[in-house]
Amino acid sequence: DTAVSQTPKYLVTQMGNDKSIKCEQNLGHDTMYWYKQDSKKFLKIMFSYNNKELIINETVPNRFSPKSPDKAHLNLHINSLELGDSAVYFCASSQQSTAPEQFFGPGTRLTVL
Amino acid sequence: SQKIEQNSEALNIQEGKTATLTCNYTNYSPAYLQWYRQDPGRGPVFLLLIRENEKEKRKERLKVTFDTTLKQSLFHITASQPADSATYLCALVADSNYQLIWGAGTKLIIKP
Repeated sequence: DTAVSQTPKYLVTQMGNDKSIKCEQNLGHDTMYWYKQDSKKFLKIMFSYNNKELIINETVPNRFSPKSPDKAHLNLHINSLELGDSAVYFCASSQQSTAPEQFFGPGTRLTVL
Repeated sequence: SQKIEQNSEALNIQEGKTATLTCNYTNYSPAYLQWYRQDPGRGPVFLLLIRENEKEKRKERLKVTFDTTLKQSLFHITASQPADSATYLCALVADSNYQLIWGAGTKLIIKP
């Protein structure tokens, strides 16, 4: 009964490749997020979608493109991967964009070689 | 500049004692502040939220205080147990789009 799930858990790839991370939530929430957690453990918001509409788009290279086919899914596609993209990426959801509590997925550890 | 600071050094506490973690912020006027727990290899899990007009919030062995004058929140775990060992993150809502800004977390180690 996983609330927020992500695949894959681990992703190891070469520089220059394109990869995708998938996220699904079964909580019926309206809002979903992508975060990046770097080696210093800071969580930084990348994107937020509310009912499939982009509402937060932080300063992220345009190699990163989120896609929300429906409000239960938010995928992240990354083109031309760079060494600096190595991090843990977390998907999260909240009931609404104004709801404070966020529910996180288990994370995807991306390693770019 | 805007900052959220949590003690980057691990906090070692003897089992049964009270653990107190600190979250300081500058140049924000948050409507509320949250605390999350993160275990290795897992996503953060929500623990408590405290609003700007609240001084204190409790949940079982957890207590959070919020001092908007000092720009500080304290997170207490009473009667600490080894299972409380984890990294604890504070996060605040900084603006009208309800975006969360996160501290880097403090690693808490409870020794038996």
